[in-house]
Order: sequence, then structure tokens, then C-alpha cells
Amino acid sequence: EVQLVQSGAEVKKPGESLKISCKGSGYSFTSYWIGWVRQMPGKGLEWMGIIYPGDSDTRYSPSFQGQVTISADKSISTAYLQWSSLKASDTAMYYCARRLSGSPMMDVWGKGTTVTVSS
Amino acid sequence: SYELTQPPSVSVSPGQTARITCSADALPKQYAYWYQQKPGQAPVLVIYKDSERPSGIPERFSGSSSGTTVTLTISGVQAEDEADYYCQSADSSGTYYVFGTGTKVTVL
Repeated sequence: EVQLVQSGAEVKKPGESLKISCKGSGYSFTSYWIGWVRQMPGKGLEWMGIIYPGDSDTRYSPSFQGQVTISADKSISTAYLQWSSLKASDTAMYYCARRLSGSPMMDVWGKGTTVTVSS
Repeated sequence: SYELTQPPSVSVSPGQTARITCSADALPKQYAYWYQQKPGQAPVLVIYKDSERPSGIPERFSGSSSGTTVTLTISGVQAEDEADYYCQSADSSGTYYVFGTGTKVTVL
């Protein structure tokens, strides 16, 4: 079974750093892109960026460029989303999803990681 | 920035047909994809490449395209179809991927 398993919920203070993870299984992790999607409380889906674990090629939405870093460790089939200095406005649910090459389509999703940033 | 516009809400009685539109300039050149999201759950792909249905998605879900508008149709709506629905596509260059504003489907 193809699965993406995300790390658990996080509660952080403004200014702290954070790295959340997304582990793929049941398929060739290096052959598909992994994308990250933000959903702020009560709001819609926002496409953040994608990475190709095979060669770490990474693309960011202009809205998120410079705000987060997407990376991957293909040796353990895991993608990451990280912040160097969190803000209260980063409070949201973050989903990872498998993206098929050549299209925006995301066919398999993780269950999401809740990030809460509060002083 | 590129935007996909959806109606905020659609209400429909059980057994009737719900139609959700998604509009943007680049849609004649780029495929659209549709996702269903139920409360507290991750999104699920229900339509890809404008009108293709993934395996496991009920036949009552269908998609179509006309000019700058794509439409998700749910025929014979059931109570379990109550959810938020999002379209997704790319800008005309295929560089930036975006989601639509989302439509809440309420089954009366």
C-alpha cells in the first residue's frame, strides 16, 4: 500500500525553528515528487512547493519562497518542511502529498501535521 | 498571482445534481484536478485531467471543461458527499500550481 506518514503535532513559540517530516512507503520514493500544502485554520488549501527526492530538485510557490525550506533524504524515503524562525501566522495544518511528474496532480496524501505557534 | 475562482458554497437536496465551477484564464491550456476534503481529513483526488475518475471514486462524480471554466458534477448527491471541494491547476506556463478558493457543498 502506498502511504505517506507525517510526523506528529507540534507546539512551538515564535522565533523557534521546526522541521516536520513525511515518510513514503509502498512505492519508489525517488521516482515521484513530494509536495507540501498549507491549510490555515478554517481556510483553503495553499500549494507551497515540491521536491524531487531523486535529485533534490526543488520548486517553491512565490508566496513561500524564502519562508520555508523543503528537503529530502532519499536514503530513508523522507521529505521535510522546515522553518528557521516561526511566526504565529505559521499556525496551520501542513499536508505532504505525492505528485505525479508533468502535472500538478497529487494522488496520495499524508494525514497532515498540525503546527501551532503561540507565545 | 494566478487564481482559480470557485463559488463559496453550493446547496443541494439528496438525489439532486450539484455543479461546482472553477474559472481561470489558463484553463483552456492546462488540465484541472478536483479534490474532496471532509472535516478533519486530508484531501482526496476525485477527478484528474478535467474529466478522468481515479479508481475507487464513485461514478456519480464527473468533470467537464468549456473555455475558461471547468465543472465538477455530482449526480444523485448523497449525504456523504457533503464536503469542501477544491480545483487545482497550473498557470499558462505550467510553472506555478495553485488551488481554487474552495466550495462548500451542503446536502440539505
